[in-house]
Amino acid sequence: GDSVTQMEGPVTLSEEAFLTINCTYTATGYPSLFWYVQYPGEGLQLLLKATKADDKGSNKGFEATYRKETTSFHLEKGSVQVSDSAVYFCALSDPYQGAQKLVFGQGTRLTINP
Amino acid sequence: EAGVTQSPTHLIKTRGQQATLRCSPISGHTSVYWYQQALGLGLQFLLWYDEGEERNRGNFPPRFSGRQFPNYSSELNVNALELEDSALYLCASSLGTSGGDNEQFFGPGTRLTVL
Repeated sequence: GDSVTQMEGPVTLSEEAFLTINCTYTATGYPSLFWYVQYPGEGLQLLLKATKADDKGSNKGFEATYRKETTSFHLEKGSVQVSDSAVYFCALSDPYQGAQKLVFGQGTRLTINP
Repeated sequence: EAGVTQSPTHLIKTRGQQATLRCSPISGHTSVYWYQQALGLGLQFLLWYDEGEERNRGNFPPRFSGRQFPNYSSELNVNALELEDSALYLCASSLGTSGGDNEQFFGPGTRLTVL
């Protein structure tokens, strides 16, 4: 079945550092790919998405490019802030499986120190 | 526009009891999804309802059930509660179209604690 593998955490960085969180997937169809963020004590918020190969999703300085050849959707940000501290989830949706569910990676906890 | 709402925020039950969790989707959304976020286990898909019908369920026992009402709100019922059912239960809604990017919008969750 479909699956998502995320970089193990936790990740701790200093403010203004460069961030990469790796995400790879396996899917039988042509999935849509998502990054969700969960701030402490809150539910999930969609951070960005990409629906087809070579699409780049971007939001709040974060970017991720849908790479079909490497089945990857790595999250990047050039200069992180303390407010970016959260848990980040990579996810896919494969409608060709006949299901609309999201399949999530395990999540990566990010802590940014001032 | 109001987002996805869930109630209650917190729920404490004892083993063997039943829990009922509620979700109201974003206006115009017909699909509702339930996910379980247990400590250390990530987010697991539970159930998907669309247009009042259960469309898919994850790998959970039958004591996890639910329904969707004509106004598209949804209820998740967990019978014969076990300690390992303690988790954050997240509801999401979407437009419910087949195919497409299936963007799901999440509620704040219900924290269920089983003692």
